[in-house]
Amino acid sequence: AQSVSQHNHHVILSEAASLELGCNYSYGGTVNLFWYVQYPGQHLQLLLKYFSGDPLVKGIKGFEAEFIKSKFSFNLRKPSVQWSDTAEYFCAVNADTGTASKLTFGTGTRLQVTL
Amino acid sequence: DAGITQSPRHKVTETGTPVTLRCHQTENHRYMYWYRQDPGHGLRLIHYSYGVKDTDKGEVSDGYSVSRSKTEDFLLTLESATSSQTSVYFCAIRGQGSYGYTFGSGTRLTVV
Repeated sequence: AQSVSQHNHHVILSEAASLELGCNYSYGGTVNLFWYVQYPGQHLQLLLKYFSGDPLVKGIKGFEAEFIKSKFSFNLRKPSVQWSDTAEYFCAVNADTGTASKLTFGTGTRLQVTL
Repeated sequence: DAGITQSPRHKVTETGTPVTLRCHQTENHRYMYWYRQDPGHGLRLIHYSYGVKDTDKGEVSDGYSVSRSKTEDFLLTLESATSSQTSVYFCAIRGQGSYGYTFGSGTRLTVV
């Protein structure tokens, strides 16, 4: 079965600082990778996704992620965070298993951006 | 999100009572999923459906059952609610041949 690890549980940054959130997955087959964001009190929103091709993917709000197959990693980056980026971030892997493909999530990273 | 609605949005219930949460979609998507979200655990899959009357268990299915009698509705039932089932429940949908998931707004369930 696939699994996802997010090593940073709580990150505190000042505005304008650079961000990198780690994500490692475990799955032997072809994977699709996602980063979702959840703002306080809201539901999940897709930040970006990787299916194939260029391993550097760009998403909304200036976020990007790099898929490194040899390291089973899909780290999320942003050069300069804003206060409005305060949220919880989830990495997820989609894998085809049995009757349907399913998303498996990491435990999430809470990002707090201070002014 | 447009095309997927969950009801109720909030519910408080007593231990031992049955509870049913509803996920309704207007996208005619084949696949539907129920997740629960808990601090420190992220989102965990409870059950999913790959067609009308076709369902399967996820990683945390104990104490839950599901039904899908028509394409647009996927019901999650807590047969006898326990305090450990206090959580936020999210429904998700996905079209066949697509890996794009759309999530509902969630149902916050409190079992007292």
